[in-house]
Amino acid sequence: DTAVSQTPKYLVTQMGNDKSIKCEQNLGHDTMYWYKQDSKKFLKIMFSYNNKELIINETVPNRFSPKSPDKAHLNLHINSLELGDSAVYFCASSQGSEGATYEQFFGPGTRLTVL
Amino acid sequence: EDQVTQSPEALRLQEGESSSLNCSYTVSGLRGLFWYRQDPGKGPEFLFTLYSAGEEKEKERLKATLTKKESFLHITAPKPEDSATYLCASGWADDKIIFGKGTRLHILP
Repeated sequence: DTAVSQTPKYLVTQMGNDKSIKCEQNLGHDTMYWYKQDSKKFLKIMFSYNNKELIINETVPNRFSPKSPDKAHLNLHINSLELGDSAVYFCASSQGSEGATYEQFFGPGTRLTVL
Repeated sequence: EDQVTQSPEALRLQEGESSSLNCSYTVSGLRGLFWYRQDPGKGPEFLFTLYSAGEEKEKERLKATLTKKESFLHITAPKPEDSATYLCASGWADDKIIFGKGTRLHILP
């Protein structure tokens, strides 16, 4: 069974479009995250949610909006896509409410390419 | 500014040649120091968590250690399958998590 899954794995789209990436975890974890990994492989946290509540919101353009319908799902919606949004986006989850204390389990990533 | 710095950026070793990767951090209020392995095209895979200076953890050919300012990932007699990018991450008191830029390790057969 896949612990953290993301869909789609690849996403190619035109500038200005709106797209969503979905994430689900079956580990029973309380906290979920979205990360962006750029072309230089630098992994940077974007958001974290604990029990459907936003905990961390790093400096991310407001075109990015996370949505957590329940504890097991955290989706990422991106409006008006720009070239600079091209990257690999990873979803992750961890147990407990103190996300900085516990290890994270990552999904396989979604490679977003904006043309 | 809170920072996590990994060195070297890249490392090539012969199979069986032991070495260490470094992760230094600058900040107070560390909640946890994490090591992950990332293979090409995949998400990071958890290896270790260290919580306090002096702590050590081992798994197969890998051993992670922690001091007050840095962590080391020691690789003993590596094999080609140990080739990957190794990421260090630190968790802080405000729930902030910062990743280093990673060390690309290549083990030659």
